[in-house]
Amino acid sequence: AQRVTQPEKLLSVFKGAPVELKCNYSYSGSPELFWYVQYSRQRLQLLLRHISRESIKGFTADLNKGETSFHLKKPFAQEEDSAMYYCALSMGGNKLVFGAGTILRVKS
Amino acid sequence: SAVISQKPSRDICQRGTSLTIQCQVDSQVTMMFWYRQQPGQSLTLIATANQGSEATYESGFVIDKFPISRPNLTFSTLTVSNMSPEDSSIYLCSVEDRSRGYEKLFFGSGTQLSVL
Repeated sequence: AQRVTQPEKLLSVFKGAPVELKCNYSYSGSPELFWYVQYSRQRLQLLLRHISRESIKGFTADLNKGETSFHLKKPFAQEEDSAMYYCALSMGGNKLVFGAGTILRVKS
Repeated sequence: SAVISQKPSRDICQRGTSLTIQCQVDSQVTMMFWYRQQPGQSLTLIATANQGSEATYESGFVIDKFPISRPNLTFSTLTVSNMSPEDSSIYLCSVEDRSRGYEKLFFGSGTQLSVL
């Protein structure tokens, strides 16, 4: 069965420190993975997807099939990065399985 | 991005009653999805609503409990029937719009439901 695991409920870092939000998945097929972000009082929105291999707002995520991971990284955290982050796996098209989410708090 | 209006934004309901949640999109979209987020949990897909056909439900969700309508390409409703406190959750509408480029899946702001 498809499953997405985000082991940390809360990650607290200081401004300027590196950030890594962990995501592991379980899927027998060829995975398509996403990171979604929800800022305070805003809607859930796409941050990035592994297919595009882009850097969005300084965040990157590399799919590691050997470790079945898709960790989200940013070298220098900013206060505006504070939000809830969800890792998601596509079950086909835009039907997604979400992880439990990680709250990122960036302290000044 | 697609603009999704979801109503109501929140409601407090009595056990045994039903609530219908509306999702309106500013453009025609092919697929609409309904998710549930229980307190402290992740988002779970309830069903996919396609215009002109019955909704497709995920494991653990049934039409009698969560009937869905999709009368046209811009609108859908989800009804939570015969509610119990376990139905207290955030319910989210999302739409797939392949014409929007990079971001193809958009989410509404959610309906926070509390059942007493």
